[in-house]
Amino acid sequence: SQQGEEDPQALSIQEGENATMNCSYKTSINNLQWYRQNSGRGLVHLILIRSNEREKHSGRLRVTLDTSKKSSSLLITASRAADTASYFCATDATGFQKLVFGTGTRLLVSP
Amino acid sequence: NAGVTQTPKFRVLKTGQSMTLLCAQDMNHEYMYWYRQDPGMGLRLIHYSVGEGTTAKGEVPDGYNVSRLKKQNFLLGLESAAPSQTSVYFCASSPVGNNEKLFFGSGTQLSVL
Repeated sequence: SQQGEEDPQALSIQEGENATMNCSYKTSINNLQWYRQNSGRGLVHLILIRSNEREKHSGRLRVTLDTSKKSSSLLITASRAADTASYFCATDATGFQKLVFGTGTRLLVSP
Repeated sequence: NAGVTQTPKFRVLKTGQSMTLLCAQDMNHEYMYWYRQDPGMGLRLIHYSVGEGTTAKGEVPDGYNVSRLKKQNFLLGLESAAPSQTSVYFCASSPVGNNEKLFFGSGTQLSVL
């Protein structure tokens, strides 16, 4: 079964607005990562947050992690049409040797 | 620096046919993975390898075989294709002992009729 589940499944916003998507997971993790997938392309790594971190920034991206609630959120500020893509969380669960991906959030940013 | 390269990009098979998907990486990564992506299912791990000559089963290994004879290559085989194997297949790699950043290929779209 999937370790991570993203919410919402789809999100539509206007350019300049902020986009927030959430990820919930089931077991203890070493780290949680977010990936972007443009239509018809492979996934691209965006940001990683470790289990002992609560917040991390990278450019217009802000990720938070709440291990007590087993959840993470990805905030994209001042969104652009080029941010249109699917976003996936992936968890490196304790004791596993592989990442497990969630089902993704489809983000549409309209000009 | 090509990164992770998958061939072919598209393929149509008839039920029962066999084929091999090739993944090549030029980053000297130890770990390599094969995922399949289906609508509404996200990515599911088929098989993975933690080094040359090693392979291991992932979440959905049935109907697939893999080989890692060379460090830079990871092959995914379908011995007798079934319509349920219609999917988009992604290969990925990551540095040794490190699940902290996967590098993905651009995918292979496979249709089994």
